[in-house]
Amino acid sequence: QVQLQESGPGLVKPSETLSLTCAVSGDSITRDTCWGWIRQPPGKGLEWIGSLCHSEGSHRDTYKGPSLKSRVTISVDTSKNQFSLQLSSVTAADTALYYCARGRRGTYDSWGQGTLVTVSS
Amino acid sequence: QSALTQPASVSGSPGQSITVSCTGTSSDIGTFNHVSWFQQYPGKAPKLMIYDVTNRPSGVSNRFSGSKSGDTAFLTISGLQADDEGDYYCSSYTTNTTVIFGGGTKLTVV
Repeated sequence: QVQLQESGPGLVKPSETLSLTCAVSGDSITRDTCWGWIRQPPGKGLEWIGSLCHSEGSHRDTYKGPSLKSRVTISVDTSKNQFSLQLSSVTAADTALYYCARGRRGTYDSWGQGTLVTVSS
Repeated sequence: QSALTQPASVSGSPGQSITVSCTGTSSDIGTFNHVSWFQQYPGKAPKLMIYDVTNRPSGVSNRFSGSKSGDTAFLTISGLQADDEGDYYCSSYTTNTTVIFGGGTKLTVV
């Protein structure tokens, strides 16, 4: 059974870069599927950040939501079976619970427990 | 790209049926059958309940069903139970190769 676990600093200063990692166990990060990041500000709804997808022939593509696209980087470390999120130039509006998840086209069938990131000086 | 539109709240009594709507556009729900529904309890990660409009993952009760008409998708829960209470979110794939979520609906079982 696949398990995902987010990790990273719980506190980031304004204007700095938020960096999170999602460790995957029970599945291969290079399998023909997608690995995504979703966030949820306190008391609010879900927002799709982006995803990294693998397809046959080891082809890899990254997709990002329009509102965060210019600040988001999603990468993969196949040797550690994990993928990462970097969000640059953060503000208080980026304070949220950040989830990693597995699935294509929004069919996220497995989720991490989430990690709270607070942006504050 | 605005969020999909869901009612803020719905309620029902045990045993009843409720339906949650999720309205998008021709750029998402209207074009693709990649609509999913998620259940979320407070402090917990979302759980996939319906995918590709009508499909239930293994282990999800058949009291949960999904449908779609035009730009709007629907989640129906029949035989409402106390532990169905929570937040429900829809999502859809889009023509921009992105995913968009609904604003969420709080279900109260009264």
